[in-house]
Amino acid sequence: SQQGEEDPQALSIQEGENATMNCSYKTSINNLQWYRQNSGRGLVHLILIRSNEREKHSGRLRVTLDTSKKSSSLLITASRAADTASYFCATDHSGYALNFGKGTSLLVTP
Amino acid sequence: DTEVTQTPKHLVMGMTNKKSLKCEQHMGHRAMYWYKQKAKKPPELMFVYSYEKLSINESVPSRFSPECPNSSLLNLHLHALQPEDSALYLCASSQDGGDRGRQPQHFGDGTRLSIL
Repeated sequence: SQQGEEDPQALSIQEGENATMNCSYKTSINNLQWYRQNSGRGLVHLILIRSNEREKHSGRLRVTLDTSKKSSSLLITASRAADTASYFCATDHSGYALNFGKGTSLLVTP
Repeated sequence: DTEVTQTPKHLVMGMTNKKSLKCEQHMGHRAMYWYKQKAKKPPELMFVYSYEKLSINESVPSRFSPECPNSSLLNLHLHALQPEDSALYLCASSQDGGDRGRQPQHFGDGTRLSIL
């Protein structure tokens, strides 16, 4: 399977702390995307990083990509209760469709 | 508010019923997707339409029948579903230049389907 694997499966932190979640994949990619899903809602695109990029920032989000290790990480700084959600990485291997990882469930408590 | 609108939000149907899920986007996107998502699992791709033509069918049972009447609309017709088909059905869209994997997807909030 080309599906990514997120680590950890679940993460619980307090407001103000940083949250880091990791994604590993098995075959070479064209790009990797991160999505957030709040309970009962659809997925929201957060950031896309191309295979020739190593790091990307968007507001409080920082994504890194290490193609030699076939892994990516998503860092959320200064987390807020509103960041509570499931986070999925999605990899593009063929340009036709995305393969979603199993997701990390993040709980941010006040 | 999401830019992809799905109706209905909830649907309960018996195994012998016929119903349809609808999805609409007005972003000018030419690729549209149906996903199935079970609780605490990632979305599973079902179908991809590109320029209103079926591009990918991920070996979905024939009791699910997609339709793309025009570039803004996507339907999923349901017939003789099984209890294991109960799930959240998500629609998504993206720009399509023949390079769908490099584009962000915009998701609707889904239809929560329950099969009795």
